[in-house]
Amino acid sequence: GENVEQHPSTLSVQEGDSAVIKCTYSDSASNYFPWYKQELGKGPQLIIDIRSNVGEKKDQRIAVTLNKTAKHFSLHITETQPEDSAVYFCAATPDSNYQLIWGAGTKLIIKP
Amino acid sequence: ETGVTQTPRHLVMGMTNKKSLKCEQHLGHNAMYWYKQSAKKPLELMFVYNFKEQTENNSVPSRFSPECPNSSHLFLHLHTLQPEDSALYLCASSQEGVALSATIYFGEGSWLTVV
Repeated sequence: GENVEQHPSTLSVQEGDSAVIKCTYSDSASNYFPWYKQELGKGPQLIIDIRSNVGEKKDQRIAVTLNKTAKHFSLHITETQPEDSAVYFCAATPDSNYQLIWGAGTKLIIKP
Repeated sequence: ETGVTQTPRHLVMGMTNKKSLKCEQHLGHNAMYWYKQSAKKPLELMFVYNFKEQTENNSVPSRFSPECPNSSHLFLHLHTLQPEDSALYLCASSQEGVALSATIYFGEGSWLTVV
């Protein structure tokens, strides 16, 4: 079955710098890759997603890139701000209609 | 406010107790989910209901019993739990299945502690 690995588990960056979180997946049939952000005391919330027919997607300071050959995808956050501090989860879908396979999460700390 | 409400937010129960977690979604979605979140581990999908019918049961122990009386409400009945069941239990909903790129909307979770 599908397996998703996420790195790093903790990332600390200076405010204003960029942050990059990477995920690898095992099932080449996976075709949908969302990223969720979980703030303290809240449930995860979708921030950006990408389908396998697209190599890159941007939404303001957030971008996701996908390399199907290497089976990895990355979240890029530019000009980081204190409100970006949270835990970020990547996920991938195998064949099941409802089964998202999740990474273990990255705790992003933005230092003032 | 995500449109998915979970109660209670915190629950402490003994191993011989019976309790229930409740979830309600106000989004008109067709699918509802229970997830278990433990520290530094991936989210674990427990159950999925689509139009009130259970479509996924990821080998969850029988001490967890889901109930979906209608498309807006989801319960998780708990009995004779173990301390390792202590975790954050997240309810979620989506309009369609994730293979159709549907966004999953999560509630804020119910923190469960088994003593």
